[in-house]
Amino acid sequence: DAMVIQNPRYQVTQFGKPVTLSCSQTLNHNVMYWYQQKSSQAPKLLFHYYDKDFNNEADTPDNFQSRRPNTSFCFLDIRSPGLGDAAMYLCATSRGGQGTYNEQFFGPGTRLTVL
Amino acid sequence: AQSVSQHNHHVILSEAASLELGCNYSYGGTVNLFWYVQYPGQHLQLLLKYFSGDPLVKGIKGFEAEFIKSKFSFNLRKPSVQWSDTAEYFCAVNPLIYNQGGKLIFGQGTELSVKP
Repeated sequence: DAMVIQNPRYQVTQFGKPVTLSCSQTLNHNVMYWYQQKSSQAPKLLFHYYDKDFNNEADTPDNFQSRRPNTSFCFLDIRSPGLGDAAMYLCATSRGGQGTYNEQFFGPGTRLTVL
Repeated sequence: AQSVSQHNHHVILSEAASLELGCNYSYGGTVNLFWYVQYPGQHLQLLLKYFSGDPLVKGIKGFEAEFIKSKFSFNLRKPSVQWSDTAEYFCAVNPLIYNQGGKLIFGQGTELSVKP
């Protein structure tokens, strides 16, 4: 089945130690998104890629970076995780992009714990 | 700034009861509207969506939602809930702003618990 895969499902890191979360998709969608969801809160968009074009949300901290080496993969890098970055990180994909919209398909998420 | 508000944080119902979850958004322009569901331990899944046309949309598993533009609302309904509907429900809005086609703004979520 075509899907969105996130690895690992659970990630534990230490305060200040860089961490990378991975997302891959077999849907061949050209748009990929990263959301942060803290406990009992709404998922919040951090940034998205439309093809290779990176679109950062205005309030996304500089501590968060992303890479998309090809259509299938997208990475979320947290350069110096703080305790406040503990959250579920959701990857999503869609077909289309700027000026249009199609349904977003979500991965299972990676739960990040910062010690 | 655009925002989405879900009125109920936690709803508890008995099986066969009717369900209505409220959702309001703040954006004066054109929007696409969605309800997503997250069953325990699973990923977000699309329940239903509204892009245009008939404001009453039907989704999977007997759910429906009505878009009332004048009230900026997109409430989710189901006439008779089942225990298997226990999940968290998220309303989401895609404001059609030029160059932000992919932006989804989520509500805080409503946790639904259905007692057998």
